[in-house]
Amino acid sequence: KQEVTQIPAALSVPEGENLVLNCSFTDSAIYNLQWFRQDPGKGLTSLLLIQSSQREQTSGRLNASLDKSSGRSTLYIAASQPGDSATYLCAVMNTGNQFYFGTGTSLTVIP
Amino acid sequence: GAVVSQHPSRVICKSGTSVKIECRSLDFQATTMFWYRQFPKQSLMLMATSNEGSKATYEQGVEKDKFLINHASLTLSTLTVTSAHPEDSSFYICSARAFGRTYEQYFGPGTRLTVT
Repeated sequence: KQEVTQIPAALSVPEGENLVLNCSFTDSAIYNLQWFRQDPGKGLTSLLLIQSSQREQTSGRLNASLDKSSGRSTLYIAASQPGDSATYLCAVMNTGNQFYFGTGTSLTVIP
Repeated sequence: GAVVSQHPSRVICKSGTSVKIECRSLDFQATTMFWYRQFPKQSLMLMATSNEGSKATYEQGVEKDKFLINHASLTLSTLTVTSAHPEDSSFYICSARAFGRTYEQYFGPGTRLTVT
């Protein structure tokens, strides 16, 4: 069964700093990988979707990479802002179109 | 486009009662819907996959008689928690896969269930 792990579990950085969140998965037979943001008590906001054939996707200050063969993905956030504070989840979609979610990274950006 | 709604957003029920949660695709037809559960400070865990007109497929460890899923139309799936207990208190999120778009899913805003 697919296992998705995220490191670190929590991260606190000063405003303006660049940061990297890591995601690893055990089964490389995926269709895509998606990064989500979740605010406390709220649903999911999709940030970036990387198809299995792609290496990276960019949206504004966010850049996500995918190395399917090694089972790794990173989410790079440039020039962090207090509004970026949230939990970030990565999820991989398997052959049955089901998502398996990582354990999440709780990010706090200090003003 | 591609909006998924859930109702209710919050519900409190007494132990032993049943509660129904609705998941609707508002502007597209969803052949498949997925139900997830999230306990406090934990990630989302897939509970079941439902295809319109078929019985749901449950993940290992999820009691199908306790969590009844009905996907009777292309825009509506329901999750009924039967004989709820306090340990069923959780955040339930659904997602919907659009007809003809195999790899795209859209998530609902979630339902907070509290069983007292």
